[in-house]
Amino acid sequence: KAGVTQTPRYLIKTRGQQVTLSCSPISGHRSVSWYQQTPGQGLQFLFEYFSETQRNKGNFPGRFSGRQFSNSRSEMNVSTLELGDSALYLCASSLASRTGGRFNEQFFGPGTRLTVL
Amino acid sequence: GEDVEQSLFLSVREGDSSVINCTYTDSSSTYLYWYKQEPGAGLQLLTYIFSNMDMKQDQRLTVLLNKKDKHLSLRIADTQTGDSAIYFCAEDGYNDMRFGAGTRLTVKP
Repeated sequence: KAGVTQTPRYLIKTRGQQVTLSCSPISGHRSVSWYQQTPGQGLQFLFEYFSETQRNKGNFPGRFSGRQFSNSRSEMNVSTLELGDSALYLCASSLASRTGGRFNEQFFGPGTRLTVL
Repeated sequence: GEDVEQSLFLSVREGDSSVINCTYTDSSSTYLYWYKQEPGAGLQLLTYIFSNMDMKQDQRLTVLLNKKDKHLSLRIADTQTGDSAIYFCAEDGYNDMRFGAGTRLTVKP
């Protein structure tokens, strides 16, 4: 079974631009969560999508948005990029929504490394 | 708000035991997790513990949970060079997963 794939793996943008990252979950998984990983802040939860609906959202500004398609693939968009948006963006898929404290193993992709100049 | 806390670095000799500690924030977290991240890769779930358990053993891995102190630890027995990686603890809150900053484990031959 193929794992979680993320494209592109590396991206360089300049301040003010926007960027779209893509995540394809494991076949059959309907939940996709996005995380931002930086050396200073560690891993921070961005949002979770399940069945094309945003289920949960972390504490990030509105410049960060996402969506999920009917085939469970998800995209994340960041508009008006800032230097501080430079990070590794990870997506994770799971069978069910992780809401509610049930055990639900998340499988992580390798990430997209975004550099903002 | 409070953060999930871990020490940043740990260095051990091959064959020794490694103990990585974590203090989490939410006493109502149902599950607590340990993930491993190798260079250039995403996170891989190593093990997890349900909050009503004190201990869980899985081959070379032992997880200890002290709910009163909100303290979680991961012990790796007979540490190998292939165990060198960053280890993250995480708590499963109702709305989000909260991760520690990660402990970089270096195993010296």
